[in-house]
Amino acid sequence: KNEVEQSPQNLTAQEGEFITINCSYSVGISALHWLQQHPGGGIVSLFMLSSGKKKHGRLIATINIQEKHSSLHITASHPRDSAVYICAVSGGSNYKLTFGKGTLLTVNP
Amino acid sequence: KAGVTQTPRYLIKTRGQQVTLSCSPISGHRSVSWYQQTPGQGLQFLFEYFSETQRNKGNFPGRFSGRQFSNSRSEMNVSTLELGDSALYLCASTLVGGPVTDTQYFGPGTRLTVL
Repeated sequence: KNEVEQSPQNLTAQEGEFITINCSYSVGISALHWLQQHPGGGIVSLFMLSSGKKKHGRLIATINIQEKHSSLHITASHPRDSAVYICAVSGGSNYKLTFGKGTLLTVNP
Repeated sequence: KAGVTQTPRYLIKTRGQQVTLSCSPISGHRSVSWYQQTPGQGLQFLFEYFSETQRNKGNFPGRFSGRQFSNSRSEMNVSTLELGDSALYLCASTLVGGPVTDTQYFGPGTRLTVL
């Protein structure tokens, strides 16, 4: 069974700050997903990656397969980035996701 | 293209009752996964369907079941409801066109409250 650990659990930042959320997993995977969930809202998939680095706007996701570690970076953070960020991993030939506990990000103006 | 839809959005039931939740995937998507989200346990995988077949199941009791229809719409059923079944139930659809690594698109969820 894959264990997915996220850190930190809670993060408070000032608008404009650079933010990093980390995710570690215990067993080899086929892909790692970063998800965003706003309070009371649904889940949006931000990134799915199996190697290297991806960038979308102010968000950057990296993964190190050898170290079983991924990071999600937010540059020039904004209050609208306030949400729970969830790391999830999938393995094998199915679509079963195993989730981390999430990181609650609050960006103050 | 319409997103993933789930019905109903909110549901209140009493212990012992059963409930059926519905998920309509994005048109063309053939895989539907179901997840349970609670404050204590976070997000947990329930099961995944592809072409009307259950491909994988999470660690939930047999009271939790599901099915998928030929048009890829999926339902999940919970029988003999318990208080601990109160949760947000999410489904996600995936376009299965090649590698495993397809993005999952989540629906808004069904908030189930068991009294």
